[in-house]
Formats: sequence, C-alpha cells, structure tokens
Amino acid sequence: QVQLKESGPGLVQPSQTLSLTCTVAGFSLTSYNVHWVRQPPGKGLEWMGVIWNTGGTRYNSALKSRLSISKDTSKSQVFLKMNSLQTEDTATYYCARDPHYPGIHYVMDAWGQGASVTVSS
Amino acid sequence: DIQMTQSPASLSASLGETVTIECRASEDIYNGLAWYQQKPGKSPQLLIYNANSLHTGVPSRFSGSGSGTQYSLKINSLQSEDVASYFCQQYYDYQNTFGAGTKLELK
Repeated sequence: QVQLKESGPGLVQPSQTLSLTCTVAGFSLTSYNVHWVRQPPGKGLEWMGVIWNTGGTRYNSALKSRLSISKDTSKSQVFLKMNSLQTEDTATYYCARDPHYPGIHYVMDAWGQGASVTVSS
Repeated sequence: DIQMTQSPASLSASLGETVTIECRASEDIYNGLAWYQQKPGKSPQLLIYNANSLHTGVPSRFSGSGSGTQYSLKINSLQSEDVASYFCQQYYDYQNTFGAGTKLELK
C-alpha cells in the first residue's frame, strides 16, 4: 500500500529554517519522483518542488533561493529545507508521489496527510 | 507563469444533479491539465489527468474535457461524498500552477 507521511516541527520562528521529512512506504524512491506542495490556511495549492527518482531536483522559481529538497533512498525518506521563513510561509506542507505516467510529469497520485507549520514568534 | 482561473469559486447543488466546474488557462496548455478533489480536513486526491483521463479507482460519474485554454470537470449524479473543494492544475509548464479552487456544497 502506497503511503507518505510528513513529519516536522509545528512551529517555526520567523527567519529560521524549516526542516520536514517525508517517509514513504509501498514504493521505491529510486523508481518514483516525489513533490512538495503547500497550502496556506483556507487557500489554494502551491507546488514547491520535486526530487526525481534519479536524485535531480527542480524548484518553483519563486522559492528556489530558499528551498532545498534531498532524499535518503535507503531510509525511504525525502527531506525539505526552506530558510528565511516568514509568516506568509504558514501552511500545511504535503509530500506527494508522481505516478510516473509515460511522458507526464508533475501530476500527483498519492499524498501524505500533511504537516501543519506555523511561522510565529 | 501560466495563470489558472477557476470558476465558480463556490457552488451549491442537489443530490443527483450534474455539476460543471470550469478552468481557464492564460495560454494554451495542450491538455496538460489535472483535477483534484480535496475533502474537508483531508489531502487532495487525483481525479483526472491529461484533461480527460480518469485516474484509477475514480468513479465514472467524474469526467474531464476541454482543449487549448478551456477545460471543465463534470460530475454526473452528484453524491453526498462529492462535497469537497476541487482544484485544477496545469502541468504543461514545469512551473505547474493550480486554480484557486471551487467549493462544492449540497443544496
């Protein structure tokens, strides 16, 4: 059964760095890409970035200077780090699997439950 | 970035009714469009990709159509479990972007 689960601190102080972990089960990170998507309270979805099965990454240009995504394949974990957090970064952060449809990227067929992050002093 | 304009922002419909949600892209996205359903307090779930391909396990009352810059999601015979927010997403451009969402409620 495909599962993804985000973990990390619920509260981060302004200007600090957010670190989140996505632990996956039921599939291999060597075969599937994993995305990060966030959703501010009561608002829409924003794609943040992706780590390819090969280990390469691609980021939303609006976040690129602050964002880093990496993974430990042996532990089935994907990591998100974002620095210089501000109150507008308050959101639920999701990791999601790319189903790897032929020729299609950036579609997400399985999502974690989400990690709620509040940026506040 | 490609802008996705979704309408309506909210919608109230009766059980058994047919509902249509629209999404307009700021430029041609060549059917690179997906639809997601997000129930209250839950994660989004993929419904449709490639504008009209039904994701595995999604009920056949959901369908997608469109081309160019105009796309739509249709729900036939609305069920109570369809109460949710619906988001379109363009992935033609790697800077993929989502619509603002449509909140569907029961009348």
